[in-house]
Amino acid sequence: AQKITQTQPGMFVQEKEAVTLDCTYDTSDPSYGLFWYKQPSSGEMIFLIYQGSYDQQNATEGRYSLNFQKARKSANLVISASQLGDSAMYFCAMREGSGYSTLTFGKGTMLLVSP
Amino acid sequence: SQTIHQWPATLVQPVGSPLSLECTVEGTSNPNLYWYRQAAGRGLQLLFYSVGIGQISSEVPQNLSASRPQDRQFILSSKKLLLSDSGFYLCAWSVWQGSRAAETQYFGPGTRLLVL
Repeated sequence: AQKITQTQPGMFVQEKEAVTLDCTYDTSDPSYGLFWYKQPSSGEMIFLIYQGSYDQQNATEGRYSLNFQKARKSANLVISASQLGDSAMYFCAMREGSGYSTLTFGKGTMLLVSP
Repeated sequence: SQTIHQWPATLVQPVGSPLSLECTVEGTSNPNLYWYRQAAGRGLQLLFYSVGIGQISSEVPQNLSASRPQDRQFILSSKKLLLSDSGFYLCAWSVWQGSRAAETQYFGPGTRLLVL
């Protein structure tokens, strides 16, 4: 079963506007971590933000924030004040805390920021 | 600070030729190391990971292999490349954070491999 679902293949946003990229996950492990990565056209995967399953507060890193809704099993990435350089592919990922587990990625969302 | 290097950046190889991709990490000790492959327009597929020198776990059966001859060096190899081996290969590292769930992976710049 797919553990990470990103339902938006592509998103468009105008510069300086906020945008939300959706991510839902599936796990029965009470301990897990959620990650967002950015992949520009150069190909490098850039770590953006992390949210732990036991964290009470939503994670924030500069213009990035993670809207963590545990009951809904969603971990949406919010980018405030979009910039042209935000145009890239964005991947949501999860790692379960117990037993043998590896980082599982979603299929990604392509974000295009227009002037 | 930690840095991760991959080379070559781009590689064009004929079918049936051997492959060697190298990944090195600086600024950290005893990292966990990973090889991923990303086919065009698709997500990441974990190929191998290593928790220490000489310790390799394979996620997907294929004609690729990995080795870790030194603490911060991870090599991806093949004896005979297939057309289906074309893709973007990413190396990543992480260190134990007290919780497996909190272990962030940091990626290298990647190698684009085209098998013709």
